[in-house]
Amino acid sequence: SQQGEEDPQALSIQEGENATMNCSYKTSINNLQWYRQNSGRGLVHLILIRSNEREKHSGRLRVTLDTSKKSSSLLITASRAADTASYFCATDAKGGSNYKLTFGKGTLLTVNP
Amino acid sequence: AAGVIQSPRHLIKEKRETATLKCYPIPRHDTVYWYQQGPGQDPQFLISFYEKMQSDKGSIPDRFSAQQFSDYHSELNMSSLELGDSALYFCASSLGQGVTYEQYFGPGTRLTVT
Repeated sequence: SQQGEEDPQALSIQEGENATMNCSYKTSINNLQWYRQNSGRGLVHLILIRSNEREKHSGRLRVTLDTSKKSSSLLITASRAADTASYFCATDAKGGSNYKLTFGKGTLLTVNP
Repeated sequence: AAGVIQSPRHLIKEKRETATLKCYPIPRHDTVYWYQQGPGQDPQFLISFYEKMQSDKGSIPDRFSAQQFSDYHSELNMSSLELGDSALYFCASSLGQGVTYEQYFGPGTRLTVT
């Protein structure tokens, strides 16, 4: 089964609003990372949160991690049209390979001006 | 700052042909990863190398092979191409052993098989 499922699959909001995307995973992890991808382009690393961390901030981004629920959320505050992209979470399994990231299905965020 | 370089950026091949994709990691990065992303899909891990040795293997078809060279660049060789191989192929690199370190992705190679 897929490790890392994003929710919702698509989200449309107005500029200035906050956007929250969720990610659930199935196995214990070492780290969870969030990536952004503009249509047909490369993946841009946003933030990494380790399994012993609960919350992390980077600019307008806030990531939370609940290992008991095996879930994470990415909050983008004061969204801008330029935030329009797909957002993926990716995990590496605890006790598993150090060399493999498993990506979720992604959330397509559309920020309307 | 230098980024991961992939070449070519676009490639069109016919069925049953071969293709070679190249990846040049960020200088001093010792780990390279390859991912395949089909249309509307999430990236799927194919294979990774650490210090020129294969470190892990994912859902990579037997028709594909890869290696990392002494200068740390990597090549993904794809033979007997099928229509289903059409996808974006990403290379990523990291400094340090494994995914506990941030992976930096290249812009991808878009492969179209006709």
